[in-house]
Amino acid sequence: AQSVTQLGSHVSVSEGALVLLRCNYSSSVPPYLFWYVQYPNQGLQLLLKYTTGATLVKGINGFEAEFKKSETSFHLTKPSAHMSDAAEYFCAVMNTGNQFYFGTGTSLTVIP
Amino acid sequence: DAGVTQSPTHLIKTRGQHVTLRCSPISGHKSVSWYQQVLGQGPQFIFQYYEKEERGRGNFPDRFSARQFPNYSSELNVNALLLGDSALYLCASSPGPMDRAPYNEQFFGPGTRLTVL
Repeated sequence: AQSVTQLGSHVSVSEGALVLLRCNYSSSVPPYLFWYVQYPNQGLQLLLKYTTGATLVKGINGFEAEFKKSETSFHLTKPSAHMSDAAEYFCAVMNTGNQFYFGTGTSLTVIP
Repeated sequence: DAGVTQSPTHLIKTRGQHVTLRCSPISGHKSVSWYQQVLGQGPQFIFQYYEKEERGRGNFPDRFSARQFPNYSSELNVNALLLGDSALYLCASSPGPMDRAPYNEQFFGPGTRLTVL
């Protein structure tokens, strides 16, 4: 069965510091991979996705993620955190069976 | 341009009742997916519909059903409500089916908050 693991349910960083949110997936076949952000009382917004091709994916708001097949990882990074980045972040995987799996989420706090 | 819309915004039901949630996709999108998000957890995939046909189903009981109409809007129905069905129900639309990149990017609506008492 497909699964997505997000290490760290809560991450705190100082404003201007590096953001690193971890995501590992279990799959025998490289799936489609996604990162979504959810602000309080709002729906999910796509940050970036990996389907095929270049393994370093750039998204909106300065975020990027690298697909590493050997590590089955798709970690999300941003060089410099901004106060507006405080939100809940979800990693997601789509398998070949047309099923979509979300991780449990990581709450990002940005400290001024 | 209007995004994905869902109605109602909030809903309160009692155990055993039935509920219908509605979703209108972005204009031109032919795929709608439904998710359940329990407080403090990630969304759980319920269904995907594309061109009015079910294309994917998550691990939910038969009390959950859905359909897609000719105008691509969709309804999620839940029968015999349980306390554990209390959650935020999210609808997402995409131009194409999940397995057809790049047309599978999902755009989410704000959700319907269902409370079962």
